[in-house]
Amino acid sequence: GAGVSQTPSNKVTEKGKYVELRCDPISGHTALYWYRQSLGQGPEFLIYFQGTGAADDSGLPNDRFFAVRPEGSVSTLKIQRTERGDSAVYLCASSLVASASTDTQYFGPGTRLTVL
Amino acid sequence: GESVGLHLPTLSVQEGDNSIINCAYSNSASDYFIWYKQESGKGPQFIIDIRSNMDKRQGQRVTVLLNKTVKHLSLQIAATQPGDSAVYFCAEKIPNDYKLSFGAGTTVTVRA
Repeated sequence: GAGVSQTPSNKVTEKGKYVELRCDPISGHTALYWYRQSLGQGPEFLIYFQGTGAADDSGLPNDRFFAVRPEGSVSTLKIQRTERGDSAVYLCASSLVASASTDTQYFGPGTRLTVL
Repeated sequence: GESVGLHLPTLSVQEGDNSIINCAYSNSASDYFIWYKQESGKGPQFIIDIRSNMDKRQGQRVTVLLNKTVKHLSLQIAATQPGDSAVYFCAEKIPNDYKLSFGAGTTVTVRA
């Protein structure tokens, strides 16, 4: 079946602009995660949704970052007043039920954000 | 070929040889570990996982070994192929948490 999809694949914006990044999880997966990956580094956790609610947003770096998942499926990561340091690949992952132990997270291809 | 330690992020291996990728994880409370493969321009792809109550798990051409005493995880790839060239990440999860914590990654290059 279809995997996790993310749009756009690439986004170039100017410092100070607002951007939205979209994630479509695997059908039937109730848990959704956002990670950020800087060049040469492993992904770093940003936020986790169980259904429609953000169960853990402890990884969001500051209040310029916000994410929603209004119907428990598609999620949008929103970044206000972008800064050059926000440039990275933003990865979305989903898992079936997000049990606290061994639920496998499947990743999308990511959105490469470049802030000029 | 074999990578050692956290500070040797590349591994070059001859096609057909076995590869060993090492990872020192950080949290002794972690109870679940996963290896991901990431090719250029793509997201991480699940390879194999292991729970903390196991010390070895085998998949197709891959084996993961866990040594909790020294907080060490390794991924063995048998008969390495050109398609195995990628960056490999280990990730860990602690009980009652949902986020994965990733290591820095090892770049594997397969020589023909």
